[in-house]
Amino acid sequence: QQQVKQSPQSLIVQKGGISIINCAYENTAFDYFPWYQQFPGKGPALLIAIRPDVSEKKEGRFTISFNKSAKQFSLHIMDSQPGDSATYFCAASIGTDSWGKFQFGAGTQVVVTP
Amino acid sequence: DAGVIQSPRHEVTEMGQEVTLRCKPISGHNSLFWYRQTMMRGLELLIYFNNNVPIDDSGMPEDRFSAKMPNASFSTLKIQPSEPRDSAVYFCASSPGRSTNGYTFGSGTRLTVV
Repeated sequence: QQQVKQSPQSLIVQKGGISIINCAYENTAFDYFPWYQQFPGKGPALLIAIRPDVSEKKEGRFTISFNKSAKQFSLHIMDSQPGDSATYFCAASIGTDSWGKFQFGAGTQVVVTP
Repeated sequence: DAGVIQSPRHEVTEMGQEVTLRCKPISGHNSLFWYRQTMMRGLELLIYFNNNVPIDDSGMPEDRFSAKMPNASFSTLKIQPSEPRDSAVYFCASSPGRSTNGYTFGSGTRLTVV
């Protein structure tokens, strides 16, 4: 049973476009929501993260939007570049005392065409 | 900082053989995690350690899998006997403690059991 549901499974976007990936969760105890970026042959790397006390967090071209009442959060990649082509995972965990025990979404493969 | 170091990068073995995967966490990180990644099941947490002590091994699929952390700078994941369904990418990750901050993945070991 997947506690974090991620969609879409894959995404193709033109260079300069906006990539949007959505995640939904059930456990209201989750209070840390990171996004990881994974390139082929590499391990996932932390991209950006949010806690539920804010509704949006922006770092460069990457923005997380968080809707606590709907138990949903999303990643927006603005001005998508070919170098953004990767697999993106959302995740959730419970607090700073979580031992790093994440629940990961299934992943979204993003392809940015030139 | 060399990051989390895993070896080997690739392993091909015959069914029934013993396989040992190795991980060196980032110096100073006292939590270590083993994950398995497959297309079907995504990223699954197998086991994690804190201060070399196993905290939760509920994700270990069956008794054929075992993990040890004899000291702060080394961990192994062993599969004996290996089966074709164990084919996956195995990741090790480490973090500075109970917090999710600084959580870092290695580059993984791609295991193929034929």
